[in-house]
Amino acid sequence: SYELTQPPSVSVSPGQTASITCSGGELGSKYASWYQLKPGQSPVLVIYLDSKRPSGIPERFSGSNSGSTATLTISGTQAMDEADYYCQSWDSSSVVFGGGTNLTVL
Amino acid sequence: QVQLVESGGGLVKAGGSLRLSCAASGFTFGDYYMSWIRQAPGKGLEWVSYISRSSHYTHYTDSVKGRFTISRDNAKNLLFLQMNSLRAEDTALYYCAREVVPEGYSNSNYFDYWGQGTLVTVSS
Repeated sequence: SYELTQPPSVSVSPGQTASITCSGGELGSKYASWYQLKPGQSPVLVIYLDSKRPSGIPERFSGSNSGSTATLTISGTQAMDEADYYCQSWDSSSVVFGGGTNLTVL
Repeated sequence: QVQLVESGGGLVKAGGSLRLSCAASGFTFGDYYMSWIRQAPGKGLEWVSYISRSSHYTHYTDSVKGRFTISRDNAKNLLFLQMNSLRAEDTALYYCAREVVPEGYSNSNYFDYWGQGTLVTVSS
């Protein structure tokens, strides 16, 4: 079955750029989405179709997808961005989520 | 505004059954695919099942095939998940989510709205 691999954790200083990767076989030929999950809250879609931002998501969130890696980039990271982030794609009629990355802002 | 409200979770013994419901409002329910997605304690998100707009297509993750059944009532704006033969590993917070299958983008989807989730605990 198809798998998406994310680093378990990423740390970034406030105001710096955070990059979270998501790797999967030929992921660049598929589409990736990203979700933010904070404790006690529901997941929030932050990027869809590789690089599109839903309304209400700050411009500091951006995405790319090429080769076997999709990347979520948060520019000028703020304390409020501290959360778990999950990538998601589609393969053989099934939805696949990555294992999640805990972003720490310190 | 779009709202998804899950209900039906609870504590059940292994081998038992539960039926989850998701009440949708604020959009034309029958125009969207819908999914159930779960998160076990301390674990990541796991997609469970989806259903097409008119219920013609359903699909399940391997671990629940033959035990769970997804269904919907478009007239009442309701999504369901019938869960039978429950196992301890089914313990999780279950979310319903609105699924977008974008036109012109083959083999792609994403989830733009999620409910608050309903907790299912299976005791062994």
